[in-house]
Amino acid sequence: EVQLVESGGGVVQPGGSLRLSCAASGFTFSSYFMHWVRQAPGKGPVWVSRVSSDGSSTTYADSVKGRFTISRDNAKNTLYLQMNSLRAEDTAVYYCVCYGSGRGYWGQGTLVSVSS
Amino acid sequence: DIVMTQSPDSLAVSLGERATINCKSSQTVLYSSTNKNSLTWYQQKPGQPPKLLIYWASTRESGVPDRFSGSGSGTDFTLTISSLQAEDVAVYYCQQYYSTPLTFGGGTKVEIK
Repeated sequence: EVQLVESGGGVVQPGGSLRLSCAASGFTFSSYFMHWVRQAPGKGPVWVSRVSSDGSSTTYADSVKGRFTISRDNAKNTLYLQMNSLRAEDTAVYYCVCYGSGRGYWGQGTLVSVSS
Repeated sequence: DIVMTQSPDSLAVSLGERATINCKSSQTVLYSSTNKNSLTWYQQKPGQPPKLLIYWASTRESGVPDRFSGSGSGTDFTLTISSLQAEDVAVYYCQQYYSTPLTFGGGTKVEIK
């Protein structure tokens, strides 16, 4: 069974940093592209970033480009999202997502709140 | 970017009646090499992550009741709930994974009339 467990969320002041983690199990992590998707309170999901299976290629939404960095450690089956220069509009639940054979597998999410 | 447009924004249906949600993409999400549409449907209830209902536009995920069905190809897709149950009250999203950035429809809130 695919399991994705996010952690690292919390309350941070504007301009601050957080590092999110996503522990993966139940599938061959190193074979799949991985994504971060976020959902602001009362809004729909929005894609944030993607990393290739070997970590060599990354893509970002314009809204986070230059501030967020996605990475992975295939030896630890873990996905990361380093978030710097956080803004109020980054407040959201952050989900890690794996797409395989057409299916999207989501974690339970971790809440990031940017507030002074 | 592929824009996903869902309609209606909200829908009130009587128990046991049919609910139909539409999703239109701004360009095709059909892979010609596989003849598969990279389109998923999710159900989301408050405080929960999106739950996968349908993938490849029309393949029901294991464990999803057969009252849920997906149809369509290319740019026009439909999610149908054939006989609405109380537990189906939720927000429904379509999403394309044909190209990055992955994009979602705006959501359709389904309620009981």
